[in-house]
Amino acid sequence: EDKVVQSPLSLVVHEGDTVTLNCSYEVTNFRSLLWYKQEKKAPTFLFMLTSSGIEKKSGRLSSILDKKELSSILNITATQTGDSAIYLCAVARGDTDKLIFGTGTRLQVFP
Amino acid sequence: NAGVMQNPRHLVRRRGQEARLRCSPMKGHSHVYWYRQLPEEGLKFMVYLQKENIIDESGMPKERFSAEFPKEGPSILRIQQVVRGDSAAYFCASSMDSNYGYTFGSGTRLTVV
Repeated sequence: EDKVVQSPLSLVVHEGDTVTLNCSYEVTNFRSLLWYKQEKKAPTFLFMLTSSGIEKKSGRLSSILDKKELSSILNITATQTGDSAIYLCAVARGDTDKLIFGTGTRLQVFP
Repeated sequence: NAGVMQNPRHLVRRRGQEARLRCSPMKGHSHVYWYRQLPEEGLKFMVYLQKENIIDESGMPKERFSAEFPKEGPSILRIQQVVRGDSAAYFCASSMDSNYGYTFGSGTRLTVV
């Protein structure tokens, strides 16, 4: 059965800290891995990764996919209170358009 | 561009009633997906539709749940004879095609009392 596992489940840091969120997967016919940020409402799209080793970057957020290790990390540098959210990792299979989500990492950033 | 619009935002139903959740995809998007999120759990795929067609309903419960995406109008997720276990947040997402990440709506939070 397809599986996406995120760790840690929860993370509490102070503003300015750097955090690394992990996502590992066991999915048949992998096509891409996506990261989303979920605050109170809709998950908002952060990155889509399809090729191993290529870093996607947007401001203080960056992500890398390791297809050999079947995993990805999401890094957030110089965290701010506005980064507090649940970060969701999802994997898309090549033979279907549905996404398989992990349960998320809850990040809390305190001033 | 208004994004993916879902309504209502909150819906309260008594056990045994019907729940109808609506989703209007982003302009130009012809792919619609429904996901359910139970408390403290990740999003679980329910159904994938294109205009007038159900493409993948492998995540839909076999009974009481149905979905449609008519030629005109929003996509509808319908839950008949709701039970307490149906209480969850239901998210709709749309995409232009399968090679792009989805855009999610803000969800409908269904509470069954």
